[in-house]
Amino acid sequence: AQSVAQPEDQVNVAEGNPLTVKCTYSVSGNPYLFWYVQYPNRGLQFLLKYITGDNLVKGSYGFEAEFNKSQTSFHLKKPSALVSDSALYFCAVRDMGGGYNKLIFGAGTRLAVHP
Amino acid sequence: GAGVSQSPRYKVTKRGQDVALRCDPISGHVSLYWYRQALGQGPEFLTYFNYEAQQDKSGLPNDRFSAERPEGSISTLTIQRTEQRDSAMYRCASSLFSGGASDTQYFGPGTRLTVL
Repeated sequence: AQSVAQPEDQVNVAEGNPLTVKCTYSVSGNPYLFWYVQYPNRGLQFLLKYITGDNLVKGSYGFEAEFNKSQTSFHLKKPSALVSDSALYFCAVRDMGGGYNKLIFGAGTRLAVHP
Repeated sequence: GAGVSQSPRYKVTKRGQDVALRCDPISGHVSLYWYRQALGQGPEFLTYFNYEAQQDKSGLPNDRFSAERPEGSISTLTIQRTEQRDSAMYRCASSLFSGGASDTQYFGPGTRLTVL
């Protein structure tokens, strides 16, 4: 069965420093991986996805994610954090088992960027 | 353009009452999904529509939950005889294509359901 793990409940980083939000996955076959961000009182916003090709995927708001097949990881990164990046981040994998339509989400990681 | 909209944004109901949650997907999007998100957890899949056809309802927890999308656009998730354990954020998402593996799902703001 497909699964996603976000090992950190919260990540704290100072503004201007690089940030990493970790995600590991378990799938049978090729993974289709996604990152979403949830701001307070707003819906989940799509950031980026990995389907195939380059291991470094660039997305919205200066975020990027690195796909590492050998480590089964898809960590979210940003070179310089902003206070406005503070939010809840979810990693997700497409369920390739019963159907092509479900997303399986991790539990989320809260990112706190301090001035 | 307009994103996915959901109504109501907040719903408080008493145990035993029926509730109907509405989702209006992005115009032209073929696929529509419902998820439920408990506090402190990620969203969990409930059901999926391709146009008006409900093609996967494996995530619906029991027969008190049902969903429809009669004209292939707006969808309604109905919970009958609500229970306190049904309290959660209910999220709707839509995608352009017919549920392809690389297709991106775009989410609405969610409906926060509280059952007293």
